[in-house]
Amino acid sequence: DSGVTQTPKHLITATGQRVTLRCSPRSGDLSVYWYQQSLDQGLQFLIQYYNGEERAKGNILERFSAQQFPDLHSELNLSSLELGDSALYFCASSVTSGGPGETQYFGPGTRLLVL
Amino acid sequence: GQNIDQPTEMTATEGAIVQINCTYQTSGFNGLFWYQQHAGEAPTFLSYNVLDGLEEKGRFSSFLSRSKGYSYLLLKELQMKDSASYLCAVPAGAGSYQLTFGKGTKLSVIP
Repeated sequence: DSGVTQTPKHLITATGQRVTLRCSPRSGDLSVYWYQQSLDQGLQFLIQYYNGEERAKGNILERFSAQQFPDLHSELNLSSLELGDSALYFCASSVTSGGPGETQYFGPGTRLLVL
Repeated sequence: GQNIDQPTEMTATEGAIVQINCTYQTSGFNGLFWYQQHAGEAPTFLSYNVLDGLEEKGRFSSFLSRSKGYSYLLLKELQMKDSASYLCAVPAGAGSYQLTFGKGTKLSVIP
């Protein structure tokens, strides 16, 4: 158990809908990272928040957005869902903003199925 | 940008030794990570190398050659529970610490 929690574990929804995934980092960690993992693409970095501010952006679609709240939990919002958005979504956390060698600890993931 | 190559799948026998290779190309090197991921579960941290050479941690060792853009993960005394995907990852580029992951090597340990 990494100490990172994610809810819900599973989510089934329809195309065109909007969902929110939630992540709580390990106690004391200030950074939260979101990743998408699909069978053909592997683990893809989406976005990082550090202490409430967006720190880095990866391959995140415009239909997706995220935020980090004062209590450091984070939410990933996915809208206008498409079949191709079906994937495992992982949240990870680290102590600071991500210095050399700083380990990221992953949560158990949310499995999203878009029908 | 970054490019990471790993074999897609490997099979090895319980009790044996297996080496999983990773080659990378990155603009500015800030170390290399190995993660283990069991099917449907979260990736878990195995090792971090920033200097050349071999780092040993129990049954698992990781090697890095920066000049060759090459790393490997060595697993000794294989156990059935080592059946998992092994992901190689490097920071996204010079001055960036966001990780770019390889697609992973799926290791199957057979009796």
